[in-house]
Amino acid sequence: GAVVSQHPSRVICKSGTSVKIECRSLDFQATTMFWYRQFPKQSLMLMATSNEGSKATYEQGVEKDKFLINHASLTLSTLTVTSAHPEDSSFYICSARDFARDGNTIYFGEGSWLTVV
Amino acid sequence: GQNIDQPTEMTATEGAIVQINCTYQTSGFNGLFWYQQHAGEAPTFLSYNVLDGLEEKGRFSSFLSRSKGYSYLLLKELQMKDSASYLCAVSDSNYQLIWGAGTKLIIKP
Repeated sequence: GAVVSQHPSRVICKSGTSVKIECRSLDFQATTMFWYRQFPKQSLMLMATSNEGSKATYEQGVEKDKFLINHASLTLSTLTVTSAHPEDSSFYICSARDFARDGNTIYFGEGSWLTVV
Repeated sequence: GQNIDQPTEMTATEGAIVQINCTYQTSGFNGLFWYQQHAGEAPTFLSYNVLDGLEEKGRFSSFLSRSKGYSYLLLKELQMKDSASYLCAVSDSNYQLIWGAGTKLIIKP
């Protein structure tokens, strides 16, 4: 079964509004989670590394004020797309590593399709 | 810079064997991953190699040569459901994942 769960799987929002995507590790504690974005027919692009209890580390070119990441607990990280625009429409995926069990496997959430209209 | 290269697209026949290659140049190496991704879905884990050699797991095998910066994913007895993108990713010295662009595998009957 899934060990990392993402919600919602699909969301449509109006331009200018904000939308929150949740990523949960179901049966392990994830001190670090990763947020990716994937545009159609393109590879995964790391947006940021989410660290429990501290600020996220953003990749170059990713606006931290637009993509707010909160990792308030060891099992939950959230990505909030603020003031969304149509160009933010994409597939957003989170992942986490369970270093206590098997640090060699990276578990992905199911992904969230965001459509901004 | 860091770079992962894999073919953009490959075509194979149902029941046959296909090998998807991946070459990499990264700052440090802490393992190489292969993932399968069907259109519109999140990637699913296939294999992890950190030592040289072949790792076999059912119909799928993955090979690594660290000295050559080279890996391949071998798929045997191809099935139509194997049509997907196959992503190669390397964990660098900081345990950051560097992703290849993916190889779209098309299986024909």
